[in-house]
This record gives sequence, structure tokens and C-alpha cells, in this order.
Amino acid sequence: EAQVTQNPRYLITVTGKKLTVTCSQNMNHEYMSWYRQDPGLGLRQIYYSMNVEVTDKGDVPEGYKVSRKEKRNFPLILESPSPNQTSLYFCASSLREIGTQYFGPGTRLLVL
Amino acid sequence: KNEVEQSPQNLTAQEGEFITINCSYSVGISALHWLQQHPGGGIVSLFMLSSGKKKHGRLIATINIQEKHSSLHITASHPRDSAVYICAVTSSPGRRALTFGSGTRLQVQP
Repeated sequence: EAQVTQNPRYLITVTGKKLTVTCSQNMNHEYMSWYRQDPGLGLRQIYYSMNVEVTDKGDVPEGYKVSRKEKRNFPLILESPSPNQTSLYFCASSLREIGTQYFGPGTRLLVL
Repeated sequence: KNEVEQSPQNLTAQEGEFITINCSYSVGISALHWLQQHPGGGIVSLFMLSSGKKKHGRLIATINIQEKHSSLHITASHPRDSAVYICAVTSSPGRRALTFGSGTRLQVQP
């Protein structure tokens, strides 16, 4: 089944404890991206990747890192999480930069 | 002013009604997306448009590039259409990030 998977789905952590949210797609898509969704602010793009080893900042990249070493995986790294990074995170992929977006199920993160 | 504006923010309809959700944008675009988010959070892509009109079942999406405006129509609405509908654009030229509208919350009552 064609899909985008994210892990974990729910995470409670404490300020400063490094964490990684994984994202994987099995559709051989070139374009992958990370978004966060907050009440009143909607969806905002954090980072995106046009292909392996090609990443670029979205609208809200501060406090996040990404890497794209393999085509299928695009992990989101929070080196030192802070409470303002409490949010619902979505990974998405598309065949090319301009294409139908396929979203993962979301990761709900709480930083205490 | 946001680059992508949606209206209305909230919409309540009776089952069977024809529904229109509007999206206006202020930048040049490569593509416009309509997304659906059900309670519980999952997001599904409904349409991607760069011109004209697309139809899928009871859903119709149109875009007017000159007027920088898109509409999503739902014919014969049903309670299962209750969701948040989100418009998003990929700007052109150069900037490749997606910019989202704030969403329209639709409630269809039986």
C-alpha cells in the first residue's frame, strides 16, 4: 500500500532532550516536506527536500534540522526541544516539487 | 495580509445543500492545492490545480489565474463531508515552499 509513515505518533518529552521524528514513504517520491500545525496559525512548512541531499528551509525552520540521505526517509530532528515546539507535525511527499501531496498520519508532540 | 485567504472560516449546511468555499491568493503561483482534514487530524489531498477546473465525484475545484481566486464546490453535501478544507499554494518563481490558508470548517447537518 502506498503510504507515508511517521513515528512516533505521540510523544511527550522535556525541554532540551534531543528527539527525532521519522518519516518514510514507499512511493519513490522526490519531494518530501515537514509541516507543523498550530491552533490559530494553521499549517506552516518547516523544511522541504527536492531530492537526496537537497534540503531547504520553509517558513519556520528555527529549532529544527532535517537530513535526506535516502530517497524514502526524511527525519525531523529537534536538537534541543522547547515548549514552543509543542505542535502537531505532518510529513508529506509528492512525486515532484509540483505534485499531489501525500500526508503522513501526524505526530503529536508535547514538550514540557 | 496573508498570502492565502479563505472564506468563510466556518460554514454550517444542511444535508443536500450546494457548498462553496473560496480561496484568494496574492502571489504568483505554480499550483494550488485543496486539502481535507477530518476530525482526528489526517490530511488528504483533494485537488491540485494550475488552471481551469477539476471534478471528482461530488467535488469540483475551479481556479481563475487572472483573478487569483479558486473555489471548491461540494454538490449534494453529506454529513461525512464535515471537515476542515484547506487551500494551499506553491508560489512562483523560485520559492518552493507551500503556503496555506487558515482553513474553512464545514459542518453538514443531517
